[in-house]
Amino acid sequence: ETGVTQTPRHLVMGMTNKKSLKCEQHLGHNAMYWYKQSAKKPLELMFVYNFKEQTENNSVPSRFSPECPNSSHLFLHLHTLQPEDSALYLCASSQVPSVNYEQYFGPGTRLTVT
Amino acid sequence: GESVGLHLPTLSVQEGDNSIINCAYSNSASDYFIWYKQESGKGPQFIIDIRSNMDKRQGQRVTVLLNKTVKHLSLQIAATQPGDSAVYFCAESNSNSGYALNFGKGTSLLVTP
Repeated sequence: ETGVTQTPRHLVMGMTNKKSLKCEQHLGHNAMYWYKQSAKKPLELMFVYNFKEQTENNSVPSRFSPECPNSSHLFLHLHTLQPEDSALYLCASSQVPSVNYEQYFGPGTRLTVT
Repeated sequence: GESVGLHLPTLSVQEGDNSIINCAYSNSASDYFIWYKQESGKGPQFIIDIRSNMDKRQGQRVTVLLNKTVKHLSLQIAATQPGDSAVYFCAESNSNSGYALNFGKGTSLLVTP
């Protein structure tokens, strides 16, 4: 266990549905991240939150909406997704500043858009 | 643009042999490198990291080598075990990118008996 939990672990949704992914870290970190992992592609950084403030949005479509109510919780709200959005969505956390850049990952949510 | 990549998408080794997974990067400003292991159904897990002021760092059964001249990074696993079968990712970062990690595609390591 890495101290980062994600729910649900699997999600199947239609293109017109609205759903949310949840991430919680129990490590006392102050930065949290959302990544998208597709087959045969590098991990794609989607959003970064430092001290609950969004500091990075890597040109992610507006159908993905992040929310960080406190430093321990991170959500990814999904609406009107496309089939190409099917992927593993990984949450990570870290402490910044730090002597290293290690991020701790959750197990991911496997999302299938039908 | 800047990229991090791996030379081979898959690597098959026999149990007990040593494994070497390679990674190339292109950003001259990269000053921190990290290796992750991802097993099926799990998120990436930290293995070892190295800063650009070092060229070698050892952990338990793992060694990371950094050659800044040719922008090359390698992960060596000694006496590879079946439990080492996973996808291995290298990632880099630099002080200009905050604490963001730039990941490579990954190499799948398969350990055969």
